[in-house]
This record gives sequence, structure tokens and C-alpha cells, in this order.
Amino acid sequence: DAMVIQNPRYQVTQFGKPVTLSCSQTLNHNVMYWYQQKSSQAPKLLFHYYDKDFNNEADTPDNFQSRRPNTSFCFLDIRSPGLGDAAMYLCATSRDSVLGGQPQHFGDGTRLSIL
Amino acid sequence: AQTVTQSQPEMSVQEAETVTLSCTYDTSENNYYLFWYKQPPSRQMILVIRQEAYKQQNATENRFSVNFQKAAKSFSLKISDSQLGDTAMYFCAFIASNTGKLIFGQGTTLQVKP
Repeated sequence: DAMVIQNPRYQVTQFGKPVTLSCSQTLNHNVMYWYQQKSSQAPKLLFHYYDKDFNNEADTPDNFQSRRPNTSFCFLDIRSPGLGDAAMYLCATSRDSVLGGQPQHFGDGTRLSIL
Repeated sequence: AQTVTQSQPEMSVQEAETVTLSCTYDTSENNYYLFWYKQPPSRQMILVIRQEAYKQQNATENRFSVNFQKAAKSFSLKISDSQLGDTAMYFCAFIASNTGKLIFGQGTTLQVKP
């Protein structure tokens, strides 16, 4: 089945130690998104790629960066994780732009813990 | 500013009964789309139902249906014949055609009891 795959499901890192979360998709969608979701809250968009074009949300901390080396893969890099960055990180895709109301397809998420 | 409000943080329903989750939104746009997403505990967020604002007919997907009231900016989700597998957090979400940004409500945690 075509899907959005996030690895790992659980990630533990140390305070200040860089960490990378990965997302891959077999849907061949043009748009990929990264969301941060804290416990019992709505997902918060960090940034998205429309093909190779990177779009950062204004309130996304500089500590968060992303790479999309090809259509299938997208990475979330946290350069110096702080305790407040502990959260679930969701990757999502949509076929084209969400203009036109195309739904987003989500991965299972990576739960990040900071020691 | 565009906002989505879910006023019920938690709800419960007995198995096989019907439950309605509320959602209101605020926008000055005329062309937009509305969604309900379901996020079971520790599992993937999945699309439940989608509604186009220009369509007057309420969307339906099996046991899930919406009551879309455009003038009132209301978009409630009705779950009929509730099943234990419906236990999840439900998010109402909105996309305006001119922004492309998915805006989520705060979520409603639904517990289906046997």
C-alpha cells in the first residue's frame, strides 16, 4: 500500500545533541509537511516543501531545519534540542498544493524524548 | 484571522449509539474546504471526511456524516452506530483556497464505551 513512513517511531536524544527524523512516501506526492504535536494538542505546522521549494512558518524556531533530497524523502533536523522540543513529530504529504482542498496523508509520527 | 474552534475537549458515547462533535470556524473567505481527521491513541492520523464549502450537500462516509451550516460557520461530525474503534482524538480542520495552510481545531477526545 502507498503510504507515509516515519522512522524511527520513538527517538531519545540528549539535551543539545543534534537529532534527525526521517520521512519517506510512496504516494509520489509533491508536497511534504512537518508538524510538531504536543500532548493532547493540535498539530503545529513547522514547514513544508512544495517539490523543492521550502516554506518555513514564521514562528518555527531556527533550531529546526529540513531537507528534501528527492521526491520520496524528507528529513527534520533539530540542531540543539531543548526540553521543550519533546513532542510527537508528524510528517504529512499531499498530492499537490492544498489549494483545491486536497487532503493530507499522515505518517505514524516519531515521538521524540529529550534527556 | 482564520480560526477553528472545537468546544468539547472530551466526549463519551455508548457503543452503537450516535454522537455529534461540534466545530465552528471563522473566515472571511468564500472558497474553502473543511475536514475531520481522526487520531487514535498512538496511531496514525487519518482523514474521516471532507467538505467543500461551495457544495450545499452534506458529505457522508458510511457511519460518518457532517452537518455543514455555511452561514453559521458550523461543521459538526455525526458518528452513527459508534464502535469501540472510533475511540480517538478528532480534529476539525480548515483550508482556505488562498492560503493552502491547514488550520486545526484543538481536538475532541472521544471515548466509546462498551
